[in-house]
Formats: sequence, C-alpha cells, structure tokens
Amino acid sequence: EAGVTQFPSHSVIEKGQTVTLRCDPISGHDNLYWYRRVMGKEIKFLLHFVKESKQDESGMPNNRFLAERTGGTYSTLKVQPAELEDSGVYFCASSRLRGDHTEAFFGQGTRLTVV
Amino acid sequence: DQQVKQNSPSLSVQEGRISILNCDYTNSMFDYFLWYKKYPAEGPTFLISISSIKDKNEDGRFTVFLNKSAKHLSLHIVPSQPGDSAVYFCAASRRDDKIIFGKGTRLHILP
Repeated sequence: EAGVTQFPSHSVIEKGQTVTLRCDPISGHDNLYWYRRVMGKEIKFLLHFVKESKQDESGMPNNRFLAERTGGTYSTLKVQPAELEDSGVYFCASSRLRGDHTEAFFGQGTRLTVV
Repeated sequence: DQQVKQNSPSLSVQEGRISILNCDYTNSMFDYFLWYKKYPAEGPTFLISISSIKDKNEDGRFTVFLNKSAKHLSLHIVPSQPGDSAVYFCAASRRDDKIIFGKGTRLHILP
C-alpha cells in the first residue's frame, strides 16, 4: 500500500512568486492534515480536511495560503505571493478515522525555501 | 504561546542505557498524548500514545509516563539502540481535535 506522498520534495522560489505543494493521501483516508515546521521550531497545524471539506483551518497563517482538496482525494497548498517567513518544511498527513492521530501517517514533507 | 514544551533540544545517551525524554504541557483540556519519531528527510512516524485516564503505557522498549498533576509526560527507551537516534516530538490533543506538537528533542545514541 502506498503511503502519503508529497510533491515536490524541495522547492526554492523567489519572494513574490507562487508555489503549489501537493499531497496524495493514503487511499481511503478521509482525513487530511497540513502542518508546517519552521527550522528548529515546533510542527504547527495548518488545516484539516474531511473529504473535500475544510474542517478546521485555524492554523492557516494568512490569506496568502490557499488549500484545496479536489473531490476528496489529493490536496494542494498554494502560497501566493511567497514571503521569506514562509520557508520551512510542509508536512501532510492522512488518517482514516477523525481524531485518531495514532493512525495518522505523514508524508516525507516538502522543504520550501523562499529567497 | 507554546502549549507543548520540550525544553531539551538534544540528548546524548550511551547505547544500552535508558533514554528519558521529557515533555510539559499547559492545557489541562488535553486528553490524549503522543510521541512521534522523525528521521532526517522523512515525516514523523507515530511511536506510542497515552490517554489522560492512564498514567503509564508500555510497548516493548518504549514506555510513556503521564503525571497529570504536574502536566508532565516522559518517554523512556530501554535499552537504547543506535537506531533510536532521531528527533522525538511530544504531541497532545483534545478528542477529535488537531495535534499540538512540541519543538522536538534530538536523541543521539552513542556507541
């Protein structure tokens, strides 16, 4: 069974540009989460999808961040325009049951560097 | 304001000895606590958890202890092995809510 996959693994962009991160969850997992880790700091929650609906987006930093989950399958996280402080590692996780974090599987992350 | 705190950025332990990783939290509404392990260039993987109604949970070499009055939990690894070298994240959640992570502790197992 394929795990959670994220693309790209690395992205280097200039300030002001747009970047789109993609996450393919494990098949059948209705719950999809986005997290971000800025270097040396905690992994911070960004938002939670249940199927195609945003269940909780309280962690989204500002309106430069837009997340979508087309048809309840893969998800994209777009940053437009990117700022220097957006640099970090963006993780995606999926789980079958809501609130069952013991069965939440993480992707390898996308390392975003804004220069 | 950090709700989950891991005050030791790193820890070095001799192979075969016990590793103890500590974590403090501030929100008394948390009812579930988890530990994740992370290797470089990989995502975190779930290691062990404990419900707030328990004070100990054991799984092989890993044991998590919860002291609710002190709002403190710890992860014990015994005996420590070279493959245990990784970053360990403490995390907490309320039922059906998002996970709140700490900053992580980097564990080095020395030969």
